Amino acid sequence: KQEVTQIPAALSVPEGENLVLNCSFTDSAIYNLQWFRQDPGKGLTSLLLIQSSQREQTSGRLNASLDKSSGRSTLYIAASQPGDSATYLCAVKFQGAQKLVFGQGTRLTINP
Amino acid sequence: EAGVTQSPTHLIKTRGQQATLRCSPISGHTSVYWYQQALGLGLQFLLWYDEGEERNRGNFPPRFSGRQFPNYSSELNVNALELEDSALYLCASSLVEGVGTNEKLFFGSGTQLSVL
Repeated sequence: KQEVTQIPAALSVPEGENLVLNCSFTDSAIYNLQWFRQDPGKGLTSLLLIQSSQREQTSGRLNASLDKSSGRSTLYIAASQPGDSATYLCAVKFQGAQKLVFGQGTRLTINP
Repeated sequence: EAGVTQSPTHLIKTRGQQATLRCSPISGHTSVYWYQQALGLGLQFLLWYDEGEERNRGNFPPRFSGRQFPNYSSELNVNALELEDSALYLCASSLVEGVGTNEKLFFGSGTQLSVL
């Protein structure tokens, strides 16, 4: 079964810290992996998309890496700010499946 | 450029009623996805429409149905509502350029459906 897991479910850190969110997936045959941000009661905002042929993508203070062989991706957030507080979701498009499979998300709180 | 728009923002229904949720994709996008986000359950794939056709369906009963119109907008219909249908329903659109592409999904803000 093609599944996506995110650990931890929740994370609370002081402002200014660098942090890493983890995502693992059960099948290395993927088309791409996408990281999203979701604010409470809102839709999803796409942060980064990593194609299967890529190792990482960067946008501002965010860096996402992909290791297909081990079935892992990380989202690195540098110099965290209170405005980064949200739920971060990892989603994988597996080969043979015309849909994104989502992890349960990591609820991130940045304390001022 | 307008993003994905969904209506209504909130919808309150009672058990047994029918609900209709609407989605307008980003201009130029031909593919629309529907996801259900129930409390504590994460996002579950419901339906995928492309070029007016249903292309894939998640593990949901037949009372969840939908359609895509010639202008690529989409409707999700839920019949015989049950209490557990209460959830945030999210629509996403993308431009599919071929099977196995790396298209990016863009999500709307969702419709919060409450079944009483």
